[in-house]
Amino acid sequence: DTEVTQTPKHLVMGMTNKKSLKCEQHMGHRAMYWYKQKAKKPPELMFVYSYEKLSINESVPSRFSPECPNSSLLNLHLHALQPEDSALYLCASSQGGTGTRNRMNTEAFFGQGTRLTVV
Amino acid sequence: DQQVKQNSPSLSVQEGRISILNCDYTNSMFDYFLWYKKYPAEGPTFLISISSIKDKNEDGRFTVFLNKSAKHLSLHIVPSQPGDSAVYFCAASAGQSGGGADGLTFGKGTHLIIQP
Repeated sequence: DTEVTQTPKHLVMGMTNKKSLKCEQHMGHRAMYWYKQKAKKPPELMFVYSYEKLSINESVPSRFSPECPNSSLLNLHLHALQPEDSALYLCASSQGGTGTRNRMNTEAFFGQGTRLTVV
Repeated sequence: DQQVKQNSPSLSVQEGRISILNCDYTNSMFDYFLWYKKYPAEGPTFLISISSIKDKNEDGRFTVFLNKSAKHLSLHIVPSQPGDSAVYFCAASAGQSGGGADGLTFGKGTHLIIQP
């Protein structure tokens, strides 16, 4: 199983709504990521969880709140979003590695993404 | 400040010929480079990677070359096939945390079109 599964595939939400994006992997990866991709732009890193602890937050607004309940699951809680937050949200996972020299197995596997529209 | 640059937004190649996609980077801390392929409405799919201790890595029809002194890498696809038509992203990571979970910095992508 080399899949990263994201749900839902599509989400439309109002600016006052609270919703969550979910991501799941069963590859035993210990690093999980959230990326945001706007149309015709590259994916941009939002958060990194390493061994279920938040290790990188790329100055993401607090209306995005990540959560890692266990090593297989990653959530992104959304609250009071703005229309400009509409984008494709990608989850990824990788083995994590145990040192900077052991990089050959740190390829990140991506999910299919959640297409989010904020109205 | 773009740390990973793909200067060709699109590239058209005839089926059977070689496709060469280029990528430049500015951050000398990057030590691991990856290429991803992306179809519309799908997540990026990992293709091939290379560590900075190597200058070439080959996997079937795909070869990645790394020139550290020039901070340049390229992806060669030979022979090119119609199914290779997609957007190709170059990505890089730096060994910051030591745990390998640093996240990736992506270039803007090159849309490869394989013509029959």
